[in-house]
Amino acid sequence: IAGITQAPTSQILAAGRRMTLRCTQDMRHNAMYWYRQDLGLGLRLIHYSNTAGTTGKGEVPDGYSVSRANTDDFPLTLASAVPSQTSVYFCASSDSSGGNTDTQYFGPGTRLTVL
Amino acid sequence: GQNIDQPTEMTATEGAIVQINCTYQTSGFNGLFWYQQHAGEAPTFLSYNVLDGLEEKGRFSSFLSRSKGYSYLLLKELQMKDSASYLCAAMDSNYQLIWGAGTKLIIKP
Repeated sequence: IAGITQAPTSQILAAGRRMTLRCTQDMRHNAMYWYRQDLGLGLRLIHYSNTAGTTGKGEVPDGYSVSRANTDDFPLTLASAVPSQTSVYFCASSDSSGGNTDTQYFGPGTRLTVL
Repeated sequence: GQNIDQPTEMTATEGAIVQINCTYQTSGFNGLFWYQQHAGEAPTFLSYNVLDGLEEKGRFSSFLSRSKGYSYLLLKELQMKDSASYLCAAMDSNYQLIWGAGTKLIIKP
């Protein structure tokens, strides 16, 4: 069982380019999340999805979009990357449909550098 | 606003005990989580508290006081592999996690 996988592991991207970070889970969890982690700051929620077909905005959604076409996949797209989006991105999932305190499980992360 | 405070860094000796404190202010409260994160890796779940008191799980224990907005993680019999960052996160009324910046724990032999 893989749990949550993310791709790519790391990426260097030129400013202005479009980039999609992939996230796939095989635990049949309802809820999925995208966070970014920056030095000296806590994890910050970008977008979330409580169930397939629905998405919501987190604390820092600007410049990012997501889709949730099925239970397993939750890609994060940067339409036009900027240097301030340099960060480590973590995908997470939990067995909840919102309104639940289930534990979130994290993927291995994608280290993105925008130049 | 919503806020989580925890020390930036702590140092302890192998075999000793260390307590990592966390204070929180959130809009509503649905529990307090502790995660461990080794350098370059993903956070992994350690504990969840929603009621006041101490929850013990092997060498790790977690305490919560809702009236004080306070939690701590207690690590006993420290091992070198416990060198990591420890993340405190409070769940607000919308069931979203508000994360602290993490406490980097350095274990010395």
